[in-house]
Amino acid sequence: RKEVEQDPGPFNVPEGATVAFNCTYSNSASQSFFWYRQDCRKEPKLLMSVYSSGNEDGRFTAQLNRASQYISLLIRDSKLSDSATYLCAVNTGFQKLVFGTGTRLLVSP
Amino acid sequence: GAVVSQHPSRVICKSGTSVKIECRSLDFQATTMFWYRQFPKQSLMLMATSNEGSKATYEQGVEKDKFLINHASLTLSTLTVTSAHPEDSSFYICSATKGAGGEKLFFGSGTQLSVL
Repeated sequence: RKEVEQDPGPFNVPEGATVAFNCTYSNSASQSFFWYRQDCRKEPKLLMSVYSSGNEDGRFTAQLNRASQYISLLIRDSKLSDSATYLCAVNTGFQKLVFGTGTRLLVSP
Repeated sequence: GAVVSQHPSRVICKSGTSVKIECRSLDFQATTMFWYRQFPKQSLMLMATSNEGSKATYEQGVEKDKFLINHASLTLSTLTVTSAHPEDSSFYICSATKGAGGEKLFFGSGTQLSVL
């Protein structure tokens, strides 16, 4: 089983739609969790950290479920510019991040 | 904000040659840097952890004699792909952590290596 798993998609949604991604992780000792956005052949950019209490940044909401070992990302009112690959990342200790394969999002007009 | 600079952004080389990629932290000292590799439509895979002043720690399955890492200063780590082959063609990206907690991870812009 992979340490971090994501549905690769693609998720095709119209502008204005709400879309949610999930990511599961296998190491119960994982310490911190993140969502990154990656555009084609570019470096990942941190979208948000994920906390047990859940956190929101504008149209983006992230949640962590430690009991079920998954994290989620919700994007409301999708914009064309949201089209990208969304990577979840898990800090397994010693500052090492393990990434999922990424979920590709395509927002169409 | 913190910036990590990576060069070159793209390199094309002949099979059998060696390629050096540089990763610099521009406005902070990075005792630890990480090197990742990403094949098309796949995840970033951690190759090794580069520690300033000591040997790099390689992930399982990564050949340390093929991927030479040098972290000679607090702001520079280099990855040398020795005797490159077409299967080494990939997107290589470095990252550095800032702060003791390691929560902030900053990425370089990546290097697209194409081996002919």
